[in-house]
Amino acid sequence: EPEVTQTPSHQVTQMGQEVILRCVPISNHLYFYWYRQILGQKVEFLVSFYNNEISEKSEIFDDQFSVERPDGSNFTLKIRSTKLEDSAMYFCASSEARSSPPQHFGDGTRLSIL
Amino acid sequence: AQRVTQPEKLLSVFKGAPVELKCNYSYSGSPELFWYVQYSRQRLQLLLRHISRESIKGFTADLNKGETSFHLKKPFAQEEDSAMYYCALRDNTDKLIFGTGTRLQVFP
Repeated sequence: EPEVTQTPSHQVTQMGQEVILRCVPISNHLYFYWYRQILGQKVEFLVSFYNNEISEKSEIFDDQFSVERPDGSNFTLKIRSTKLEDSAMYFCASSEARSSPPQHFGDGTRLSIL
Repeated sequence: AQRVTQPEKLLSVFKGAPVELKCNYSYSGSPELFWYVQYSRQRLQLLLRHISRESIKGFTADLNKGETSFHLKKPFAQEEDSAMYYCALRDNTDKLIFGTGTRLQVFP
């Protein structure tokens, strides 16, 4: 069964540094998402992406965050200048069509900001 | 405000006992509700969606609009059901709104 893959599984970064989290969605999927989960808290929506554009973003997704689909397979989340509070598990998800679940999730990247 | 509430952080039962994981939601429109499961060291996986009205791994969930609930039930829990269970609502912008999750522990 095809899967969403995320790399790296764990990223440790100094505060203030840029970080890029990578995701390879399922190949025929067109809608892409990033969610995050701070330790002990709920999974929160960050951003959705379709047709090379952001469809929606949450208030968490401020100017420090950006997403990109640089080629036909990768979907990246960049945090320009990381803060301690960015430490979380980041999940990528994809779906075949809007309003057509399921959203398939990757294993996540654990981001630790020192 | 859109919100999903899972009141129990932890639910512990013995094998063979019935299980009910509670989920309540707050949403002004017509909701689409899901249950996702995360087994130890694995990814979030879709378990159920309300519009399918199916039973997966013996679990069922019925949407009760009057009580704004979507509780997950299984008549006889198995040890392999031990996992984190997340209730989620999809709004009209397609994003998922998750509850805080309930850890189900099934003892032998």
